Amino acid sequence: DTGVSQNPRHKITKRGQNVTFRCDPISEHNRLYWYRQTLGQGPEFLTYFQNEAQLEKSRLLSDRFSAERPKGSFSTLEIQRTEQGDSAMYLCASTPSGGVSYEQYFGPGTRLTVT
Amino acid sequence: LAKTTQPISMDSYEGQEVNITCSHNNIATNDYITWYQQFPSQGPRFIIQGYKTKVTNEVASLFIPADRKSSTLSLPRVSLSDTAVYYCLVGDMGYGQNFVFGPGTRLSVLP
Repeated sequence: DTGVSQNPRHKITKRGQNVTFRCDPISEHNRLYWYRQTLGQGPEFLTYFQNEAQLEKSRLLSDRFSAERPKGSFSTLEIQRTEQGDSAMYLCASTPSGGVSYEQYFGPGTRLTVT
Repeated sequence: LAKTTQPISMDSYEGQEVNITCSHNNIATNDYITWYQQFPSQGPRFIIQGYKTKVTNEVASLFIPADRKSSTLSLPRVSLSDTAVYYCLVGDMGYGQNFVFGPGTRLSVLP
């Protein structure tokens, strides 16, 4: 399977703990996006990378959220001091080099439950 | 960012053609119209994209009138497996952060 992969698929954590999610984009896709999706809503853009550069991060929900893409390949999204309101599906998407951003390839998501 | 409005839900029967209309009154000159499909517990999947007039691919057609203030996604002869949420997005081609997903249209295809 050469699609976008995300790990873990499910994460249950207690309030106050830190969590980290991983996204592996399609090989050679240089743009990578993170979204959050809550029940009944569409995905909400969080941040995006072109190669290792994080070009937009103003929409990260708070300073507890951070993302990295250290070598321009996989990316991680970290949430520190989780709160119950962070419970959601976290989606990753990528687009090919030279491609257009409207055709994003999404992964299956990581479902976070904060208890 | 152009705001979009679509019906919250629609019902159809197998074999019927389904048309989902999206309103985007403040669409900008550089904006394209893109539709995604999402099944439960999966990420969205790109369906079709257009700028004006009509676009057709192997799964859907997209109709865009001259004023571009609305668009209609047409799904021919739907089957049960087309039950999903359909999102209309408006944004330019440059950067993904210009895309805003609304709540989408929940299509239920009945036998």
